[in-house]
Amino acid sequence: NAGVTQTPKFQVLKTGQSMTLQCAQDMNHEYMSWYRQDPGMGLRLIHYSVGAGITDQGEVPNGYNVSRSTTEDFPLRLLSAAPSQTSVYFCASSYPLGGETQYFGPGTRLLVL
Amino acid sequence: SQQGEEDPQALSIQEGENATMNCSYKTSINNLQWYRQNSGRGLVHLILIRSNEREKHSGRLRVTLDTSKKSSSLLITASRAADTASYFCATAKNTGANSKLTFGKGITLSVRP
Repeated sequence: NAGVTQTPKFQVLKTGQSMTLQCAQDMNHEYMSWYRQDPGMGLRLIHYSVGAGITDQGEVPNGYNVSRSTTEDFPLRLLSAAPSQTSVYFCASSYPLGGETQYFGPGTRLLVL
Repeated sequence: SQQGEEDPQALSIQEGENATMNCSYKTSINNLQWYRQNSGRGLVHLILIRSNEREKHSGRLRVTLDTSKKSSSLLITASRAADTASYFCATAKNTGANSKLTFGKGITLSVRP
């Protein structure tokens, strides 16, 4: 099993550009989530999904959009990038619920100029 | 808002020594988890302890949970240089479909060879 995969590994955007961060898992986990990690802030939850077709907001959802059309994929969209969105983004999955052990992807490092 | 707070923020020890890291939280929890993050990598799950458990072991790791004091400790015995990483505690406050983890800001552990 590949586990949780994320693409791209690194991305540079200009302010106002949009992009999609990809996340996929092959463990048939119902729960998937997106976090951002900033220095001194730990991990903060952006959005999460408890199954295909079901998404909800986390602690810091503004400026981000998600959808979950399949169990395997959970893309994160930045609608209009801002320098404040410069961060490292992690996708994670777990079974059966979000409060159980989470499996993390390797992360996407995003720089917004 | 962060539920778990780790202590100390940074710890430097000699190889072979034991490392003790603490986590405190504010509200009742369903379980508490510890994760490790090597530099530039995603988080890796180490151990999960449920609210009705007091102690758990996994290899050189020992985790305790004191729900009356709302605190947990992670002990790494006979530390190695490879244990150098950031360590995060995460709490799950409830069960059910919306159960999710809240992470602390992390502890940086340096093990000197």
